[in-house]
Amino acid sequence: KQEVTQIPAALSVPEGENLVLNCSFTDSAIYNLQWFRQDPGKGLTSLLLIQSSQREQTSGRLNASLDKSSGRSTLYIAASQPGDSATYLCAVQGGSEKLVFGKGMKLTVNP
Amino acid sequence: SQTIHQWPATLVQPVGSPLSLECTVEGTSNPNLYWYRQAAGRGLQLLFYSVGIGQISSEVPQNLSASRPQDRQFILSSKKLLLSDSGFYLCAWALGTAAYSNQPQHFGDGTRLSIL
Repeated sequence: KQEVTQIPAALSVPEGENLVLNCSFTDSAIYNLQWFRQDPGKGLTSLLLIQSSQREQTSGRLNASLDKSSGRSTLYIAASQPGDSATYLCAVQGGSEKLVFGKGMKLTVNP
Repeated sequence: SQTIHQWPATLVQPVGSPLSLECTVEGTSNPNLYWYRQAAGRGLQLLFYSVGIGQISSEVPQNLSASRPQDRQFILSSKKLLLSDSGFYLCAWALGTAAYSNQPQHFGDGTRLSIL
């Protein structure tokens, strides 16, 4: 059974820091890994999707990497801003429609 | 561009009452559709998914059911709500014509359901 873990559960940093968010998964047989952002009381916004054949994906200040063999992904946020404050979730997809989600990491960027 | 709509945004229902949550997608055809529940302190849990009209797959046995009467409409229902049905319900869509899409999933704004 696939399990996804995000540690720590919360992080508070001053504005301007470069951040690394971690995600680990137990079964390396995945098709893709996705990173989402969730603002309070809202749905999820897709940030990046990395297919199993890829090592990383970039979008603006965000860079996500994937190491399937070690069961890890990182989301790198450059020059963090208060608007980056949200909960970040990672999810992996195996050979079905089922996305298995981590519990998320709540990020607070202080001005 | 594609958009997804969920309603209502919030709902308070008594135990034993029926439920109907609706989700519609615009700007795409034959999407894969999903219902998730997010409970406090727990991750998102996939409840149902559909790859086409009338095709519903259930991930967990529960008090809920889903239907897809039209290509871009997905409905979550219950005949009698339980206290444990409280949570944040999210609908999502993804491109794909097969059971496995390998495409990003796009979420609606969710429905906050409270059972009293």
